[in-house]
Amino acid sequence: KAGVTQTPRYLIKTRGQQVTLSCSPISGHRSVSWYQQTPGQGLQFLFEYFSETQRNKGNFPGRFSGRQFSNSRSEMNVSTLELGDSALYLCASGPTDRIDGYTFGSGTRLTVV
Amino acid sequence: GEDVEQSLFLSVREGDSSVINCTYTDSSSTYLYWYKQEPGAGLQLLTYIFSNMDMKQDQRLTVLLNKKDKHLSLRIADTQTGDSAIYFCAESIDGGATNKLIFGTGTLLAVQP
Repeated sequence: KAGVTQTPRYLIKTRGQQVTLSCSPISGHRSVSWYQQTPGQGLQFLFEYFSETQRNKGNFPGRFSGRQFSNSRSEMNVSTLELGDSALYLCASGPTDRIDGYTFGSGTRLTVV
Repeated sequence: GEDVEQSLFLSVREGDSSVINCTYTDSSSTYLYWYKQEPGAGLQLLTYIFSNMDMKQDQRLTVLLNKKDKHLSLRIADTQTGDSAIYFCAESIDGGATNKLIFGTGTLLAVQP
């Protein structure tokens, strides 16, 4: 089966701009969650969507937002970018019963200059 | 509280066994996972264990869980150079109701030929 697809793979933005990242989960998976990975903070949970509803949210400022569409694809948006937002953003697709764990995409590498 | 700790680095010789350790603090964790991350890649799920289990074996991988001490370990038998990567343990909290993983800091495994 096809894996989790994240686009784009790489992105360079300027401070103050906004960015939208996309994640297409495994077919049939209704849960999509997002994580930020940085050398200093490691892997941190951003938020999770299930059936188009945000089910859980991490400790990130309101500049970070997301949404999920009816086909389970999800987008993450970061507004007013800061240098510290430079990171690898990972999306995880999960089955309803979680038994098989969560499958991660290859991530989007965001660099803010 | 939510805190998962791992040692930062482990070096072994090819053919030896590797043991990567992890401690967690949230006693409500239901599932505990091990993920592998190779350079420039996303996270690959290796194995998981349910919190009512003590041990799980999957080919070269053995997971041990000591729930009393909140200690999780991953043993890789006959370690190969291809096993060189960063290994993350993660706990699934919120009673398993949502897809939120708390990740450890990651252990860099270096396999010497």
